[in-house]
Amino acid sequence: GENVEQHPSTLSVQEGDSAVIKCTYSDSASNYFPWYKQELGKRPQLIIDIRSNVGEKKDQRIAVTLNKTAKHFSLHITETQPEDSAVYFCAASMMNDMRFGAGTRLTVKP
Amino acid sequence: SAVISQKPSRDICQRGTSLTIQCQVDSQVTMMFWYRQQPGQSLTLIATANQGSEATYESGFVIDKFPISRPNLTFSTLTVSNMSPEDSSIYLCSVDRGTEAFFGQGTRLTVV
Repeated sequence: GENVEQHPSTLSVQEGDSAVIKCTYSDSASNYFPWYKQELGKRPQLIIDIRSNVGEKKDQRIAVTLNKTAKHFSLHITETQPEDSAVYFCAASMMNDMRFGAGTRLTVKP
Repeated sequence: SAVISQKPSRDICQRGTSLTIQCQVDSQVTMMFWYRQQPGQSLTLIATANQGSEATYESGFVIDKFPISRPNLTFSTLTVSNMSPEDSSIYLCSVDRGTEAFFGQGTRLTVV
C-alpha cells in the first residue's frame, strides 16, 4: 500500500519568512495530492491540492509542487503570518484510498 | 463542500464499556471513512464503510473492536468496543466530494 513520509515534523519560522514542507510517496499510481491544515481542536481542512498531471499550483501565498519522477511533493507558504500556525498534513490518494503523512507542526512567531 | 455532523464531540468513558459515534452527511455518498487521530499524530484509516456491504478494515483494526454500520447513504456509525485507555483518541469520519475529503468535527474520546 501507499506510504507517505513528511518532513519536518516541526517547523518554526519568523513572521514574514517562508515555510516549506516536503512529502514523499511510494505508490506511483497515486494521482492526487492534497494538503490539509488542522488548527488546534478543529477538523482538517483542505488548503490546496495538485493532481499528477500538473507540476505546480499556486493560490495566493500557498503553492504546491509535484515531482512525479522522484515521487515527492512540497508545500510552500510565503510571507507567513501567525494565523498560519497549525499542523499541516500531506496526503497521497488513488481511487478513494487516501493516506496521510505524519504531519508538520508549523509555528509562526510574530 | 460537504456538511458532516458528527456526535458526540467528546466523551469520557469507563474502560470495558463501548461508545458509538455517529456521522450524518448532508447528501448521499457512496463511501464513508473512519479515521483515528491519536494525540499529536496523523490520521490513520480504520475502515471504509459502503452502504449495503460489510465495512473494509485496515490492517490492525478488526470488526469486533470497531463495528461499523452503514444503514443508508447519508449515515454511519462507528462503535469502539470494550474500551481501554489505549483507545483514547480523536475519531473522525470523512467523505469524499469529488476527490476532496471532508471531515466531521471529530469525537475526542478519553477512556479512564
